[in-house]
Amino acid sequence: QSALTQPASVSGSPGQSITISCTGTSSDVGGYNYVSWYQQHPGKAPKLMIYDVSNRPSGVSNRFSGSKSGNTASLTISGLQAEDEADYYCSSYTSSSTLVFGTGTKVTVL
Amino acid sequence: QVQLQESGPGLVKPSQTLSLTCTVSGGSISSGGYYWSWIRQHPGKGLEWIGYIYYSGSTYYNPSLKSRVTISVDTSKNQFSLKLSSVTAADTAVYYCARKNGYSSGLDYWGQGTLVTVSS
Repeated sequence: QSALTQPASVSGSPGQSITISCTGTSSDVGGYNYVSWYQQHPGKAPKLMIYDVSNRPSGVSNRFSGSKSGNTASLTISGLQAEDEADYYCSSYTSSSTLVFGTGTKVTVL
Repeated sequence: QVQLQESGPGLVKPSQTLSLTCTVSGGSISSGGYYWSWIRQHPGKGLEWIGYIYYSGSTYYNPSLKSRVTISVDTSKNQFSLKLSSVTAADTAVYYCARKNGYSSGLDYWGQGTLVTVSS
């Protein structure tokens, strides 16, 4: 299975909104509403930010939102804050009942 | 609050078998509804899903690792384990265990991760 494709880096100024894309195929992203997003700060374990395309776990800021169109899912961070600077990974359930992660995106707050 | 903790050798020799255990506290593996997962991250690289197991023993593996991976569960100890055979330096990584809700896509609880180095 091939990793989902994410941009290597995205940047924005405090208060702005940014969007990270996650492109797969009809066998993963496009075939199921089972896309998740994770935030990872250096040296830390990943943290679940979005599950099932657009749902936020309890305690995650509503500045984080997810969506999907066709084979591409997106994570939007609105009102960008310094603490949002981290690596972000998408993942998707696949037609083989497995999981696949994205290539990862480094978010920089300018 | 569910907590997961990885344990095992931090150094493994090439060609040997890497063995890690994840101990779950704050919840029972045998209660069902969750898939118990292993994920790894090569130094400075992205996340790679290794596989997961249901409490009943059903397993699913990354096709690229399937020939070398075994994930098992010990409900009496509330633990699940990873074995990766015939390791090389390319298997050097931080290994995480995590819980996936059986009815959704998210890995909602993660261990802190443990670095395993493959070297003679």
